[in-house]
Amino acid sequence: AQRVTQPEKLLSVFKGAPVELKCNYSYSGSPELFWYVQYSRQRLQLLLRHISRESIKGFTADLNKGETSFHLKKPFAQEEDSAMYYCALWSTGKLIFGQGTTLQVKP
Amino acid sequence: EADIYQTPRYLVIGTGKKITLECSQTMGHDKMYWYQQDPGMELHLIHYSYGVNSTEKGDLSSESTVSRIRTEHFPLTLESARPSHTSQYLCASSGGGQGRGYTFGSGTRLTVV
Repeated sequence: AQRVTQPEKLLSVFKGAPVELKCNYSYSGSPELFWYVQYSRQRLQLLLRHISRESIKGFTADLNKGETSFHLKKPFAQEEDSAMYYCALWSTGKLIFGQGTTLQVKP
Repeated sequence: EADIYQTPRYLVIGTGKKITLECSQTMGHDKMYWYQQDPGMELHLIHYSYGVNSTEKGDLSSESTVSRIRTEHFPLTLESARPSHTSQYLCASSGGGQGRGYTFGSGTRLTVV
């Protein structure tokens, strides 16, 4: 069955430290994966998608088919990165979301 | 501006009342979705539609119903609200291929007292 797992409910780091938000997926076929972000009092919005191979706000994510992972990384965390992050997998016309990880960046 | 709109933003209503949460998008997207976001912030798909006159139930059992009479409009109705329906409801739409993902609305925070 298709599934997305984000093992960490909360990740707390200091400003300037590297960040890695973990995402593992289960999917038979070639996956289409996304990261969404929800800042406080704002709507859920697309951060990046693996198909674009882009870097947004300093974040990158690489698809590792061998490990079935799509971890989100940023070399130096900023306080404004504090938010809820969701990994998502596109399957049969809809997105399957992970449980979400709250990133807390402390000053 | 092309976007997806949800109203009301907040709603407090008494038990037993009938309510409709509105969702409209001006992007011409064919696919639309309703999610329930629980206090732990997990997202649960409750309804989706791939086009006019097409509606399907999602993974989370819900007492709500939806309709899709027009492409741009995807309202969600609760015939008799209960405190267990208290939650955040998010509407989303998607157009084009799978690589585009979703655009989300701002959500409706529903409280049933």
